[in-house]
Amino acid sequence: DTGVSQDPRHKITKRGQNVTFRCDPISEHNRLYWYRQTLGQGPEFLTYFQNEAQLEKSRLLSDRFSAERPKGSFSTLEIQRTEQGDSAMYLCASSLAPQGASGELFFGEGSRLTVL
Amino acid sequence: AQSVAQPEDQVNVAEGNPLTVKCTYSVSGNPYLFWYVQYPNRGLQFLLKYITGDNLVKGSYGFEAEFNKSQTSFHLKKPSALVSDSALYFCAVRFYSGGYQKVTFGTGTKLQVIP
Repeated sequence: DTGVSQDPRHKITKRGQNVTFRCDPISEHNRLYWYRQTLGQGPEFLTYFQNEAQLEKSRLLSDRFSAERPKGSFSTLEIQRTEQGDSAMYLCASSLAPQGASGELFFGEGSRLTVL
Repeated sequence: AQSVAQPEDQVNVAEGNPLTVKCTYSVSGNPYLFWYVQYPNRGLQFLLKYITGDNLVKGSYGFEAEFNKSQTSFHLKKPSALVSDSALYFCAVRFYSGGYQKVTFGTGTKLQVIP
């Protein structure tokens, strides 16, 4: 399978614990996005990488959230001191789009977080 | 602000009938518009996109969408609905802001195709 993969698919944790999600994009894609989706809502932008550079972070991304893409390949999203409001589906997407192009996003299956 | 709106939370249509899922956008400059579909507990799948050219674009699974610049709309259509089309549909717009590329999604429309 050469699509976007995310791990784990499901994570249940207690409030206050740290969690980390991993995303492996399609290998030749240079752009990687993280989105958060809650029930009944569309995906909300969290952050975006071009290669290893994190180009933008949403205001939704509090100080408890951090994302990395150390070698421009896979990415991790860490949430520290989780809160019940962090419960959501975390979606990763990648694309291959040089400047000015208009490529679509390829999404992974998502990582569902439940904070008890 | 750059945004997309999906005015209907849910659309119900009988199997075999034509379907339309509505999307309007607000973007300065030329928009890049997309439709994605999401099945339960799955990620989003790309259906089709409008970049430039012909206002009617065709995509996966028999879907098509019509770009209307004067009405700032990009409605998703299919001539004959299937039960298997039942899913959540998202309209999205890609634009540049502050030198960076951004993609914003609508809130989604649940399509229910009734046998």
